[in-house]
Amino acid sequence: GAGVSQSPSNKVTEKGKDVELRCDPISGHTALYWYRQSLGQGLEFLIYFQGNSAPDKSGLPSDRFSAERTGGSVSTLTIQRTQQEDSAVYLCASSRPPNMGPPGGRSYEQYFGPGTRLTVT
Amino acid sequence: GESVGLHLPTLSVQEGDNSIINCAYSNSASDYFIWYKQESGKGPQFIIDIRSNMDKRQGQRVTVLLNKTVKHLSLQIAATQPGDSAVYFCAENRYSGGGADGLTFGKGTHLIIQP
Repeated sequence: GAGVSQSPSNKVTEKGKDVELRCDPISGHTALYWYRQSLGQGLEFLIYFQGNSAPDKSGLPSDRFSAERTGGSVSTLTIQRTQQEDSAVYLCASSRPPNMGPPGGRSYEQYFGPGTRLTVT
Repeated sequence: GESVGLHLPTLSVQEGDNSIINCAYSNSASDYFIWYKQESGKGPQFIIDIRSNMDKRQGQRVTVLLNKTVKHLSLQIAATQPGDSAVYFCAENRYSGGGADGLTFGKGTHLIIQP
């Protein structure tokens, strides 16, 4: 079946421009996550959606970053007035509803997309 | 900061040898742990998970060990192959205002397989 898809795969933008990154989660996955991964680094949590609401925005690094999710499906991460330090791979992941884990307990497995590589020049 | 960390950023092993990747966590309330593999240019992919009511779980060529006493997690890969070269992340279930949802990831270990 279809996995998590992200677009564009690569984005080069000039400093100061706004960018929008898109994530299409797996159908039926109610939870959606955005992460940022700088070169050679780990995964930095940005924001989490359950349905259309975002109970946890604690990872957004500044007010230039925002995200929305409509219809409980597609999500858009927007970065305004991009800076060079925003250059990174932005990963999206989705997971099943909490009550749809394997027998014996919840599954927290997240399914990741291929990421969008953002380069700010 | 992150509550899950790794002891070594890079691990180099000979092809055919066994690999052990270690991970420490600090949240004693965590009850679920997961290992991901990330190949160059791709998103992380699930390898194996384990719940806190277990101390060992085996998959195909992989074994995860959990020591809750010292809050330590390890991933063992048997007879490593060139295709095992990747960055490996451990993660624990993450608690937010909405309860136990999401994952907190460690910094990752880059596994290099020498021919």
